Amino acid sequence: DVKVTQSSRYLVKRTGEKVFLECVQDMDHENMFWYRQDPGLGLRLIYFSYDVKMKEKGDIPEGYSVSREKKERFSLILESASTNQTSMYLCASSPGTDVNYGYTFGSGTRLTVV
Amino acid sequence: AQKVTQAQTEISVVEKEDVTLDCVYETRDTTYYLFWYKQPPSGELVFLIRRNSFDEQNEISGRYSWNFQKSTSSFNFTITASQVVDSAVYFCALRMTTDSWGKLQFGAGTQVVVTP
Repeated sequence: DVKVTQSSRYLVKRTGEKVFLECVQDMDHENMFWYRQDPGLGLRLIYFSYDVKMKEKGDIPEGYSVSREKKERFSLILESASTNQTSMYLCASSPGTDVNYGYTFGSGTRLTVV
Repeated sequence: AQKVTQAQTEISVVEKEDVTLDCVYETRDTTYYLFWYKQPPSGELVFLIRRNSFDEQNEISGRYSWNFQKSTSSFNFTITASQVVDSAVYFCALRMTTDSWGKLQFGAGTQVVVTP
């Protein structure tokens, strides 16, 4: 089974801190995604990557950046955390060419910015 | 543009009742895929079903069934004889084959609460 692992389940950070959320998948998937989940808004795409060192903005990239130095790892970076970035962050991966395939998700990181 | 609407924010039922979750989508593409995911309290979204736009057959898997109606752009999900373990947030999602990156567009989710 594909496994997507997010390094932290819960994080509490202070306003202005630089925050790294890490995601690792073990199935050699080309595509990786970062979503945030907020009540009433569902899942909104922040960034995605279709290959090493490649990235594309999603629907809400402002205040975030990403890094993909290795195929299995996709990091989300909050350059200067703000309270409105308090949310659940979900990482997902999928094969690059199989349009039949959905996503495999990690368990999420619940980030609180105080 | 594409959009997925789950109009029901929360549904509360008593165990053994049936519950139907609505999903309405919008897309101009003729080829697309629809998904349902379950998010239990643990947080990880779990894949339930995928349906492509050319297959309008309804599907049943145990207590779960799905009704895909292309004419009304709906892909509804029914849990029969609900159980407490069905308590979760359920997401409907849309994926178009014209999107080479395979992005999924999610609805807002429906929280299902099943009480004993």
